[in-house]
Amino acid sequence: TQTVSQSDAHVTVFEGDSVELRCNYSYGGSIYLSWYIQHHGRGLQFLLKYYSGNPVVQGVNGFEAEFSKSDSSFHLRKASVHWSDSAVYFCAVSGGSALGRLHFGAGTQLIVIP
Amino acid sequence: DPKIIQKPKYLVAVTGSEKILICEQYLGHNAMYWYRQSAKKPLEFMFSYSYQKLMDNQTASSRFQPQSSKKNHLDLQITALKPDDSATYFCASSQDSGRYTLYFGAGTRLSVL
Repeated sequence: TQTVSQSDAHVTVFEGDSVELRCNYSYGGSIYLSWYIQHHGRGLQFLLKYYSGNPVVQGVNGFEAEFSKSDSSFHLRKASVHWSDSAVYFCAVSGGSALGRLHFGAGTQLIVIP
Repeated sequence: DPKIIQKPKYLVAVTGSEKILICEQYLGHNAMYWYRQSAKKPLEFMFSYSYQKLMDNQTASSRFQPQSSKKNHLDLQITALKPDDSATYFCASSQDSGRYTLYFGAGTRLSVL
């Protein structure tokens, strides 16, 4: 069974701060990890993904994430946030033969204070 | 312009009725999906289609029936609606049913009274 845990339901920072959104997963086989962003009232938009290779992956708008097999984690980071980064961020995992079936975490709402 | 169109954006239905949620994608993708997001559960996978064929079904109830009349269409028919069906239903697509990025529509928000 695949599970995704996003431990922080809400994170509040000031504009210009750095931020890390945490994601831990549970899955026994090879996996595919990704992050999506959802602005209020809109669909999810892809940020970045990891399957293999360099554990640090770069995404859009200055986001990056680091895969750690030992910690079963795929945390999302940004060095300097902008107020427009305020949104809900979802971590997702898929694996095995059902790679199109993403299991999402509960999401972390990021609030950036201008 | 949105490349994945979902209609309607909002839908109100009475218990026991039937509704069809429309999804069309203009990305040239071969795989399409339905996901559901409710207040009680995280975003959850429902169905996946590849080349108009059902690949994966995680919906226990037969009240939910996807319909694919064309490669770029994947509608969702819901019968005998219940208040617990109230949720936002997202259609998504990807180039193929592998390790590809999913692109999501804006969703249809369904409220069952």
